Amino acid sequence: NAGVMQNPRHLVRRRGQEARLRCSPMKGHSHVYWYRQLPEEGLKFMVYLQKENIIDESGMPKERFSAEFPKEGPSILRIQQVVRGDSAAYFCASSLSGTGFPREETQYFGPGTRLLVL
Amino acid sequence: DQQVKQNSPSLSVQEGRISILNCDYTNSMFDYFLWYKKYPAEGPTFLISISSIKDKNEDGRFTVFLNKSAKHLSLHIVPSQPGDSAVYFCAASAVASGTYKYIFGTGTRLKVLA
Repeated sequence: NAGVMQNPRHLVRRRGQEARLRCSPMKGHSHVYWYRQLPEEGLKFMVYLQKENIIDESGMPKERFSAEFPKEGPSILRIQQVVRGDSAAYFCASSLSGTGFPREETQYFGPGTRLLVL
Repeated sequence: DQQVKQNSPSLSVQEGRISILNCDYTNSMFDYFLWYKKYPAEGPTFLISISSIKDKNEDGRFTVFLNKSAKHLSLHIVPSQPGDSAVYFCAASAVASGTYKYIFGTGTRLKVLA
């Protein structure tokens, strides 16, 4: 399967614990994006990363949330000290390149991680 | 401020007929628009896109129309099939200004009746 991979698919945490969500982009893609979908809402942009660089984190909450995309391995979205309001579906997407040509920027999404905070 | 709006939360269409899903946007910097289809418990699946230099793009049963002056785009599905029943999201980005993030609408739930 050459698509975007996310794991785990479901994650249950108690308030105050840490959540780590992983995303492996499509083969050949070097750009990763994280989005969050709250119940009955659309997807909201969180952060855009390239290898070892955060390009745009304008949608990230200022506290408790961080993201990385290391040189080797998957991208990680980390949520510290989770609260009930963090319960949502978190989607990762990847795109081919940052050339500025729109078709090469088409983002392909993974299946998502559904986080439930008890 | 909702920059991308899908004002119809749901739509029901008879199998074989045309489905028309609408989307409005407010940011004139948007230059790339996409439609995604989403089934429950799955990620959004890319359907079709259109650049602002075009006013129509067609792919099989799916056609997207863009009216820049009205800041409006629509997705036509002809003929509609029961397997098309899903939530459809429109999305927009301002690629030329170096902004690659997508702004999504809130979705329209399409139900195709057999």
